Formats: sequence, structure tokens, C-alpha cells
Amino acid sequence: DAGVIQSPRHEVTEMGQEVTLRCKPISGHDYLFWYRQTMMRGLELLIYFNNNVPIDDSGMPEDRFSAKMPNASFSTLKIQPSEPRDSAVYFCASSTRTGELREAFFGQGTRLTVV
Amino acid sequence: AQKITQTQPGMFVQEKEAVTLDCTYDTSDPSYGLFWYKQPSSGEMIFLIYQGSYDQQNATEGRYSLNFQKARKSANLVISASQLGDSAMYFCAMREGPGLTDKLIFGTGTRLQVFP
Repeated sequence: DAGVIQSPRHEVTEMGQEVTLRCKPISGHDYLFWYRQTMMRGLELLIYFNNNVPIDDSGMPEDRFSAKMPNASFSTLKIQPSEPRDSAVYFCASSTRTGELREAFFGQGTRLTVV
Repeated sequence: AQKITQTQPGMFVQEKEAVTLDCTYDTSDPSYGLFWYKQPSSGEMIFLIYQGSYDQQNATEGRYSLNFQKARKSANLVISASQLGDSAMYFCAMREGPGLTDKLIFGTGTRLQVFP
């Protein structure tokens, strides 16, 4: 399996622009998580999906952030408009639970810089 | 409320020695899972070890073992025979459920440095 695939790996954008981060989970996984990692706040869970349905988006910082999962093999995290404080590494992770809780597998992350 | 607490921002250990990284957690759910991840300087998150709340024995994976003390709500990671390549950030994480939230939350991490 190719693992969790995120794109782009790096993104530099100007303040005010729309940014879309993409994630392809591992085939067969029914959970998908979006995390943001910064030095100040560590790894924050933004939102997670189960069977393509958003279950908990309480970590989404503002209305400027939105996430979708139109099908089992694709998810996006969108920031519109972007701000410098959104600069961080964004991770996508996927997991499954077949009778017991299982670990999440992470993508390589997208390093976002908003200037 | 902080659900996962890692009180050691940084740890040093000499090569070939053992080191323990602390983790305490808070949950009222009887069913939960505890995980440890490693994040080297290259940035990827690498799963190391898992402990289920109902597991009777401490989990082990090669040089990694998890010292699970349920009554104390602690899940410390023990790395035996440290290697230079073990230098990284280490994160403890918990997943509650099934039936509760099922989300995976992380502690703030411990930076481990292994010196020769």
C-alpha cells in the first residue's frame, strides 16, 4: 500500500489567498483525521471523519477553515482567506477499527507558509 | 482539560542506555487505546507501539516497551539500548471509544537526544 498521500508537500501563499490541502487515505480505512502542528500548540486535531462523515470539527479554529470528504479516497482541507498565523505543518492520518482501536497512519504532511 | 500529559519537554540519554518517557492520561471511558509515535527531524510521524486498555500484559515491540499502569493512568515508553537514531520527538496519544469519541489526541511531546 502507498500509505497516506498528501499534496502538496510545501505550499507558500500570500495572505488572503485560498489554500487547499489534499489527502488520500489508505484504502479500506474508514477514519480520516486532519491535524495541525506548530511549535507553540503542538499537534492539534482539527477535524475527523468516519465513513466520509465529519464527526467532530470542534478543533477547526475559525470559519476560514473547512474540510470535506466527498468519497472514501479523498479529503480536502481549505483555508479561505489564509493568514500568516495559519503557517504550520498540516497532517492527514487515516485509520480503521476492526473490533479494537487501531493506530493512525500519517501522511508526510504539508508545510504551509503564509506570507 | 488536558487528556494526555507529557511532563518532560526534553530528555538526554547515552547511547546503549535505557530511557523512560513519561505519559499520563485522563479518561472516564473503560475502553481506550494508548499509542506512542516518533517524529524525527525529517518530520514524519512514525507509529511505535500500542496498548489497549483491556490488555493484560505490557506491549512490546523490539526495543520499545510500554509500562502500562492502569490505576495510575500512566503509559510510559521505555526504549532499551538507545541508539543515535532514536533522537527525535516522541508523542503519546490516546484514542477513546468505541462508542465515545473515537478521536486520536496527542500530548505535547518529549524531545529525546541520544549522545555517544
